[in-house]
Amino acid sequence: EAGVTQSPTHLIKTRGQQATLRCSPISGHTSVYWYQQALGLGLQFLLWYDEGEERNRGNFPPRFSGRQFPNYSSELNVNALELEDSALYLCASSPDPGSSGNTIYFGEGSWLTVV
Amino acid sequence: LAKTTQPISMDSYEGQEVNITCSHNNIATNDYITWYQQFPSQGPRFIIQGYKTKVTNEVASLFIPADRKSSTLSLPRVSLSDTAVYYCLVVSKHGSGNTGKLIFGQGTTLQVKP
Repeated sequence: EAGVTQSPTHLIKTRGQQATLRCSPISGHTSVYWYQQALGLGLQFLLWYDEGEERNRGNFPPRFSGRQFPNYSSELNVNALELEDSALYLCASSPDPGSSGNTIYFGEGSWLTVV
Repeated sequence: LAKTTQPISMDSYEGQEVNITCSHNNIATNDYITWYQQFPSQGPRFIIQGYKTKVTNEVASLFIPADRKSSTLSLPRVSLSDTAVYYCLVVSKHGSGNTGKLIFGQGTTLQVKP
């Protein structure tokens, strides 16, 4: 069974541009989470999507946005890129949030470098 | 949201058993405890999850006391390849307080020496 897949693996953008990152959850999972992890730092919660709706977001400016498609895959968009946005962006998925345990599984991440 | 506290770092030697404890004093009734392992530049890998008492799988054991205010991840006979950051995460069951806003602590950097 395929795990959480993310693309692209690496992305280099110029300050002020937009970046789009993509995530495919594990088959059967309806929830998708996005995290930002700057080099050497911890995981910062960005967004949570479930059943196509944004359910919660972390303390990030509105230029961080995303969506979840009917097939439960998700996109993270970062507008007006700043140098500080350079980080590993991690996507995770979990089954129906109502299920017991709600185990979350992560992808390998997308490295975004802003120059 | 249950905040977690772990030691920042730990050292061990190959072949030893390592125990990493996580405090989660305000854990809620329907919360589960999950542990992840993360290598540099990779996504966190699920290790083990539990609700109470003891859970064991092929790579680790998880001990949770009756009050559930802490948990201990036990790694038997560690090797150099177990050098990584270990995170504990308290996860709520949706409909009982789950906001999906999963907050990771700072993690424990385990350094295994030869």
